[in-house]
Amino acid sequence: DSGVTQTPKHLITATGQRVTLRCSPRSGDLSVYWYQQSLDQGLQFLIQYYNGEERAKGNILERFSAQQFPDLHSELNLSSLELGDSALYFCASSDRGEQFFGPGTRLTVL
Amino acid sequence: GENVEQHPSTLSVQEGDSAVIKCTYSDSASNYFPWYKQELGKRPQLIIDIRSNVGEKKDQRIAVTLNKTAKHFSLHITETQPEDSAVYFCAAADNQFYFGTGTSLTVIP
Repeated sequence: DSGVTQTPKHLITATGQRVTLRCSPRSGDLSVYWYQQSLDQGLQFLIQYYNGEERAKGNILERFSAQQFPDLHSELNLSSLELGDSALYFCASSDRGEQFFGPGTRLTVL
Repeated sequence: GENVEQHPSTLSVQEGDSAVIKCTYSDSASNYFPWYKQELGKRPQLIIDIRSNVGEKKDQRIAVTLNKTAKHFSLHITETQPEDSAVYFCAAADNQFYFGTGTSLTVIP
């Protein structure tokens, strides 16, 4: 167990819908990262937050947004969902370098 | 930005043999190089890491080497076992993490 939690574990929804994925970092970690992993693909970096502020942006679509709250948990919002958004979404947290991943949320868009 | 290349994309070895996975990076500002193991449907797990002030690090059957001049680093697994079968990702990091595309390792019993 990495100490990073993500909810929900699984999410099944329809095209055009909006969903919110939640991540709680390890205690004391200020950075949260979001990644998308499609079937048999690598880890695609989406966005990073540090202590509530956006730190870096990767290949995140305009339909996706994220935020980090004062208690350091983070949410990733995915809207106008398309079939191609079906993937595993991981968050990870880090403090002084080491990055630890949560168990992921498997999103299926039908 | 940083560009991390990882080779090979797939690797099959006989049980007991060694496996080597190589990564190159482009940004000399990168100073932290972790390796992750990911089993099917599970989270990537950190297995070993190395910082830029160190050339080599070993943990039992796993070792990582770093050549800062050439900007490449490698993962070495000795005496491979079937449970080593997984996808392995390298990464290079300064403030951000940049991942390689992964190597699918199969250890044949």
